[in-house]
Amino acid sequence: LAKTTQPISMDSYEGQEVNITCSHNNIATNDYITWYQQFPSQGPRFIIQGYKTKVTNEVASLFIPADRKSSTLSLPRVSLSDTAVYYCLVGEGTALIFGKGTTLSVSS
Amino acid sequence: EAGVVQSPRYKIIEKKQPVAFWCNPISGHNTLYWYLQNLGQGPELLIRYENEEAVDDSQLPKDRFSAERLKGVDSTLKIQPAELGDSAVYLCASSPRLAGDSGEQFFGPGTRLTVL
Repeated sequence: LAKTTQPISMDSYEGQEVNITCSHNNIATNDYITWYQQFPSQGPRFIIQGYKTKVTNEVASLFIPADRKSSTLSLPRVSLSDTAVYYCLVGEGTALIFGKGTTLSVSS
Repeated sequence: EAGVVQSPRYKIIEKKQPVAFWCNPISGHNTLYWYLQNLGQGPELLIRYENEEAVDDSQLPKDRFSAERLKGVDSTLKIQPAELGDSAVYLCASSPRLAGDSGEQFFGPGTRLTVL
């Protein structure tokens, strides 16, 4: 399974757009890219998943370049409640390996 | 729709004692996972079930850990005997999809185990 690298932490202010980039140089042809969010004392929660180009849902967008060696999670207009740990995962099917994640801190 | 239910939420035991965690997945979900999460780390997969069959238990320390998923629904994870290093959060997740398909996993709130 491909290993992922993402920043350990990021800071932002309310109302800003936040982009968290994850690198996965060894991504395989069949791998999907998935992002999860985790709050303290809770299990991770699915945010978005994509295979190529761009995926958008009601909470985020996921940008995947043509070579698929990286991906960017975009959170529009973050609020204080978006303070959490964000995990980028790459894998085929249900075999997911979590890294250490990116801790996003949103301030007012 | 009810989410993944885990119990207990917290457990404190002394080392060498046994402990068990219970998980009730979302109704209809074929795949069930047990993860271990240490402080500041991402979840680590312990075992994955597809229905009642354990299809990936390569990371489960089988000398002290055991799991079962009778009838392909509820699951129990047991540690016997517990060691100090087992202190962590144990997460259960379920997914409606089988291996080879994409799709999200739905996580329970976890059981926080403290071994004294």
